[in-house]
Amino acid sequence: NAGVTQTPKFQVLKTGQSMTLQCAQDMNHEYMSWYRQDPGMGLRLIHYSVGAGITDQGEVPNGYNVSRSTTEDFPLRLLSAAPSQTSVYFCASSDSGRGDEETQYFGPGTRLLVL
Amino acid sequence: RKEVEQDPGPFNVPEGATVAFNCTYSNSASQSFFWYRQDCRKEPKLLMSVYSSGNEDGRFTAQLNRASQYISLLIRDSKLSDSATYLCVVTPLGLYALNFGKGTSLLVTP
Repeated sequence: NAGVTQTPKFQVLKTGQSMTLQCAQDMNHEYMSWYRQDPGMGLRLIHYSVGAGITDQGEVPNGYNVSRSTTEDFPLRLLSAAPSQTSVYFCASSDSGRGDEETQYFGPGTRLLVL
Repeated sequence: RKEVEQDPGPFNVPEGATVAFNCTYSNSASQSFFWYRQDCRKEPKLLMSVYSSGNEDGRFTAQLNRASQYISLLIRDSKLSDSATYLCVVTPLGLYALNFGKGTSLLVTP
């Protein structure tokens, strides 16, 4: 199993550009989530999904869109990048908690710089 | 007030020392509790889950006090490789929405 994969690893954008951060998992997990991590702020939840076709907002959703058309993939779209979106983005997945696994597993992260 | 509070440290300890981290959470509906470890510029990785009865994994012991909404992590016989940031995590909603503390930085020195 590759676990949770994210692409790209690094990205530099100009203000106003759009882009999609990719996230995929091969563990057949129902739940997937996006977090951002900023210095001194800890990880904060952006959007999450409890299954294909179902998404909802987290703590800091503004400026981001998500969709979940398959169990495996959960892309995060930046609509019009702003310098405040400079951050490290982590994707995570977990099963529903009814199985043996009981927490989220994280991808390696995407480091985004918006100029 | 942030939902999960941790002492940011840094904690600088010599090899072999015992160190304890504390964490408080504000949402009494939280169901699951974890300690994650994060190395510099890497993703968080699960260190251990935390149960009301307390649990131990080698040199690591975690405790949960639901009445006080308090979680602790004890590391015995610290190793250089324990140097990392330790994140306290609670789940008031479910496993799709983790609430993270800001992390406590640990540096173990020779």
